[in-house]
Amino acid sequence: GEEVAQTPKHLVRGEGQKAKLYCAPIKGHSYVFWYQQVLKNEFKFLISFQNENVFDETGMPKERFSAKCLPNSPCSLEIQATKLEDSAVYFCASSFVPRTGNNQPQHFGDGTRLSIL
Amino acid sequence: KQEVTQIPAALSVPEGENLVLNCSFTDSAIYNLQWFRQDPGKGLTSLLLIQSSQREQTSGRLNASLDKSSGRSTLYIAASQPGDSATYLCAVRLEDSSYKLIFGSGTRLLVRP
Repeated sequence: GEEVAQTPKHLVRGEGQKAKLYCAPIKGHSYVFWYQQVLKNEFKFLISFQNENVFDETGMPKERFSAKCLPNSPCSLEIQATKLEDSAVYFCASSFVPRTGNNQPQHFGDGTRLSIL
Repeated sequence: KQEVTQIPAALSVPEGENLVLNCSFTDSAIYNLQWFRQDPGKGLTSLLLIQSSQREQTSGRLNASLDKSSGRSTLYIAASQPGDSATYLCAVRLEDSSYKLIFGSGTRLLVRP
């Protein structure tokens, strides 16, 4: 598609439950990024993929968070045993990286608002 | 560690005014800088991307400048309109193999009719 599609728009979970978020990147984009936006517009990078391979996972919490980008499927971000502090808006972005030069913008989806009660 | 700061945090102006939003970053080793707009409950819309070798980029009423050596970028909005009301974020991509963006905390703009 022409837009990054994230589902669901809103997700409510009780503390300790599992949460799974999905992202379909723009067709032809080989890089996918996940960011977490908490209070006061603070964006935190979580993880990126090059096709189905993890590219950079330096922002991922060591425990409870995992992500995948499998061929012919939306990418996913999963949080096990959710905590109150996981409440945030999770954004997915995708980017096209040509062979020569990689000054391409990242295109963002509308985000998934995760509320942990 | 790269830190990105945006000043002011909030700005309210009457319609028609020209305005400047500021973004500063602590490490000048950036690959590019991107300005975004975020409307409430929405994702980010990319406005302008400036490569590290460029000084400015223009799109319609928007002009973004970059002074890499001093760690500063500005977003100039000409003849502001109520529809420009949104949060504006700048983000830098570092000069490393990672493509991740590091964001400022944004400037919340209100343009009053």
